[in-house]
Amino acid sequence: LAKTTQPISMDSYEGQEVNITCSHNNIATNDYITWYQQFPSQGPRFIIQGYKTKVTNEVASLFIPADRKSSTLSLPRVSLSDTAVYYCLVGAAGAGSYQLTFGKGTKLSVIP
Amino acid sequence: DAGITQSPRHKVTETGTPVTLRCHQTENHRYMYWYRQDPGHGLRLIHYSYGVKDTDKGEVSDGYSVSRSKTEDFLLTLESATSSQTSVYFCAISQGTGSDQPQHFGDGTRLSIL
Repeated sequence: LAKTTQPISMDSYEGQEVNITCSHNNIATNDYITWYQQFPSQGPRFIIQGYKTKVTNEVASLFIPADRKSSTLSLPRVSLSDTAVYYCLVGAAGAGSYQLTFGKGTKLSVIP
Repeated sequence: DAGITQSPRHKVTETGTPVTLRCHQTENHRYMYWYRQDPGHGLRLIHYSYGVKDTDKGEVSDGYSVSRSKTEDFLLTLESATSSQTSVYFCAISQGTGSDQPQHFGDGTRLSIL
């Protein structure tokens, strides 16, 4: 089961690009890397997922180096509404057995 | 957003009473999960289900039981609630078992045990 390590908190000004890095040294061959966003009083919301190299969607980009021992979530031009906790998730795969571990997340505060 | 409804959204009860939380989905996803979220601990998996009547334990299953008699419903029961079970409980669903199948979460149930 891959353990993840993220910064506990980050601050950013509006309009800046924010990069949040997650370490997962014990990632397994089958594991995908998934990022979630969570606002207060709401459930986590899926942002982006990847296996290797770079993935981009309308919300964020995910960069994964060749060794896959870390990943970086990139949020372009953040706004106040991006203030939330961001979780990096690395899961184990396998029929009949499912374990998923959420780390403690990174609290992003966007400053006007 | 995924069609996931948790009920009740808030509940206050006393130590020693039984409590049942309900998760209802309209997505016909095979896999369902119960998590609890506490300050300083992030999200922790309690139980999960991989089909009707098929369930298994997660990381923090002691004191909890689950049942799934229909695809759309996953119930979490605290047989005799304790103050340590005061938490926010989230239900999640996914189509598959692999980590390439992202989970989608409900908005949670805030449970307070006095």
